[in-house]
Order: sequence, then C-alpha cells, then structure tokens
Amino acid sequence: AQKVTQAQTEISVVEKEDVTLDCVYETRDTTYYLFWYKQPPSGELVFLIRRNSFDEQNEISGRYSWNFQKSTSSFNFTITASQVVDSAVYFCALSEASGNYGQNFVFGPGTRLSVLP
Amino acid sequence: DGGITQSPKYLFRKEGQNVTLSCEQNLNHDAMYWYRQDPGQGLRLIYYSQIVNDFQKGDIAEGYSVSREKKESFPLTVTSAQKNPTAFYLCASRQGPGGEAFFGQGTRLTVV
Repeated sequence: AQKVTQAQTEISVVEKEDVTLDCVYETRDTTYYLFWYKQPPSGELVFLIRRNSFDEQNEISGRYSWNFQKSTSSFNFTITASQVVDSAVYFCALSEASGNYGQNFVFGPGTRLSVLP
Repeated sequence: DGGITQSPKYLFRKEGQNVTLSCEQNLNHDAMYWYRQDPGQGLRLIYYSQIVNDFQKGDIAEGYSVSREKKESFPLTVTSAQKNPTAFYLCASRQGPGGEAFFGQGTRLTVV
C-alpha cells in the first residue's frame, strides 16, 4: 500500500534561514504523482506543486524549490531565505495512477514550520 | 470563479444531535473527499466519492454519513454516534489521479 512519511514533525528557523522539509514515499506503481500543500493558520490547504513519476527535474519557483529523487523515493521541499509568512503546516501527498484513484490518494502527517522574526 | 465552498465556517452541536456540513464545487471534478483534522494533527480521511451515487468509507467513517446525489455536492452528516466530533473538517475535490486537490476553507465543529 502507498505511504507518505514526513519525519520532521516541527521545525523552527529564524527568518532568512534556508529550510528543507523532507518527504519520503512508498508505492509499487510506476506511474504516480507527488504534491506539496501549505496549510496556513487560516486552515485552508493551498496547492504548491505537482510532480509526476516520469519527471525528475527539479523545480524552482521564487524562494521555493523541490528536489525529486526516485532512487531514494524522496520529494523534498526547500524554502530559501525563509520569511515569517512561510509559517504553516506543510503536507506532502501521493496519488497512484492505477486502480481507484479516489482511494489511492494519501497525505503525509505534515511538518509544522515556524519562522521566527 | 471556480472553486469549492464549505459552509458553515463555524458550527456548534449539542450532544445527541446530527449536523450536516455542506460542500459544493463548481470545478466539474469527479472525486470529492472529506477529511477530519484534530488540533496539531494531520488529515484523516472520512469518506470519498469518485462518481455520483457512489462513495466509499475512509479510515474513520464510523459516526459519519455522506451522500453524492449531484456531482457538485458532497454533504457530510455528523451523527450522534460520533462520540468526539469536535474537530476541523475539510472538503476537497480533484479530477483524475494527476489532478491536484482543491480544498474548501473548512468547517470548525464544536460540541457544546
């Protein structure tokens, strides 16, 4: 069965530090999708990025970057020069392409990031 | 604007009452989901539906019920059988295995 692990429960950094959030996944499918979401204090989850299993290119979007490595089943998220507004809970998620896609969609437990001024 | 709407934002329930949380989407998504989130915790799947008139139990379905009579709507009823319903409830929709999930703003349910 598919599984997503986010080993860091909570991280605290000081503003302007770089921080990396880890995500390790398990799946038997060869075709799958990985996602990152941000949950600010308001509660609504905000989609950040999607990556499919055939695209191992790293992506950079402003201060955010993602490192996808199939060899280690990891999809890590780095925030460069963190800001207080980055304080949130971040979730990694996995969706398998085969079978019932409604069912085969799992979230990791989340990492709470606190950026201190 | 396309999106997913949950209502109400805050809901108070007396012991022994059933309450229904609304979730509507205008994104034409096939799949819809209900999650429960307790303070400081992750998301736990209550129910999901991949097609109209069909839905499946998630990890914590006991004490909850849903219906999917229309593609746009997926209401969740918290029954009196749910012994500890105080939590934050999130609804989501998505299309296809590669589709990102869109989330509503959530409903915070409190038992008084």
